[in-house]
Amino acid sequence: AQSVAQPEDQVNVAEGNPLTVKCTYSVSGNPYLFWYVQYPNRGLQFLLKYITGDNLVKGSYGFEAEFNKSQTSFHLKKPSALVSDSALYFCAVRDLRNFNKFYFGSGTKLNVKP
Amino acid sequence: EAQVTQNPRYLITVTGKKLTVTCSQNMNHEYMSWYRQDPGLGLRQIYYSMNVEVTDKGDVPEGYKVSRKEKRNFPLILESPSPNQTSLYFCASRVGVGEKLFFGSGTQLSVL
Repeated sequence: AQSVAQPEDQVNVAEGNPLTVKCTYSVSGNPYLFWYVQYPNRGLQFLLKYITGDNLVKGSYGFEAEFNKSQTSFHLKKPSALVSDSALYFCAVRDLRNFNKFYFGSGTKLNVKP
Repeated sequence: EAQVTQNPRYLITVTGKKLTVTCSQNMNHEYMSWYRQDPGLGLRQIYYSMNVEVTDKGDVPEGYKVSRKEKRNFPLILESPSPNQTSLYFCASRVGVGEKLFFGSGTQLSVL
């Protein structure tokens, strides 16, 4: 079965420090991977995606993600965290055979303290 | 402004009373989908639609119905809601395969 896992329910980081939100995937092929962010009382917003090509993907708001095929990971990173980055982050993978189905991780709450 | 609009934002109902959550997008997207979000489980796909009159089940379709009579609208119907359908629901649309999803602001449903 295809899936993604986010091993951390919560990540705490101080403002100005680098942040990493972890995601691992389980698909038997080349995955389409996504990161979304959810601010309080809002819908999910797209951050970035990996389809093919460069393993380092740059996205919105200064975020980037590194695709690592050998470790089946797609971790979200940012060099310097802002308090406004505090939100719920979701990793997602598109089904390899049915392009209309998506699988989301359980979400990671990022807390950035001033 | 490009957007996905869901209504209502909040809904409290009782077991067995039929309800409809509406979803509309103004981006002329062919693909639309419904998700429910539950703590610790992330988002799970309920139904999706590839175009008008074309719908299919996601991972958790039991207890839900959908229809796609027009391209812009994709309502979610709960014919006989039960307490285990208490959840936060999101509608989403997409312009094409491999592209990002645009999400609505969500509908918080409580079934008593």
